[in-house]
Amino acid sequence: ETGVTQSPTHLIKTRGQQVTLRCSSQSGHNTVSWYQQALGQGPQFIFQYYREEENGRGNFPPRFSGLQFPNYSSELNVNALELDDSALYLCASSSDYQEDTQYFGPGTRLTVL
Amino acid sequence: AQKITQTQPGMFVQEKEAVTLDCTYDTSDPSYGLFWYKQPSSGEMIFLIYQGSYDQQNATEGRYSLNFQKARKSANLVISASQLGDSAMYFCAMSPRPTGRRALTFGSGTRLQVQP
Repeated sequence: ETGVTQSPTHLIKTRGQQVTLRCSSQSGHNTVSWYQQALGQGPQFIFQYYREEENGRGNFPPRFSGLQFPNYSSELNVNALELDDSALYLCASSSDYQEDTQYFGPGTRLTVL
Repeated sequence: AQKITQTQPGMFVQEKEAVTLDCTYDTSDPSYGLFWYKQPSSGEMIFLIYQGSYDQQNATEGRYSLNFQKARKSANLVISASQLGDSAMYFCAMSPRPTGRRALTFGSGTRLQVQP
């Protein structure tokens, strides 16, 4: 148990719709990162939030956006869903003063039809 | 840019034997961290072990050890005394330091199957 939770567990949407995924970070962690993991691949970095500001972004289009709240929980929003957005979305929490790792939640499996 | 290469798509090991999962990396960052994660079929990414690039000794965590060879840019995971519950996908990852505030770059993973 990492203390990182994500909701919902599974989600089915149709192409063109919008989706919001949620993540609650581990207590004491002020940094949240989001990753997309397509079937059979390693996770790909989407973006990271540190103290409510975006702190880095991977190679994802602007229709992928996020928020971090004062309690350090976070949302990932995806607009205009495409079939290729079907994947496992993982969030990870970490601390800027902790020099070991990012701790992952159980993930949200998104299917776009 | 950073790159992780895992050349073993799948590995088999007999229960109670040791197994080595290969990982090579490439980076221009002078200081970095290397990680191994386990991903069971449930999907959650479970942290196993961490090695800092300036650490003098190889990291160990219980049955897991990281064979770090900086000059060869390799960070192989060794699992001793394999158990049936070790069957899963294993990912090698890295990030620049400070690792808590930087993106992780993952390899493509190795599927380990432990046979009774």
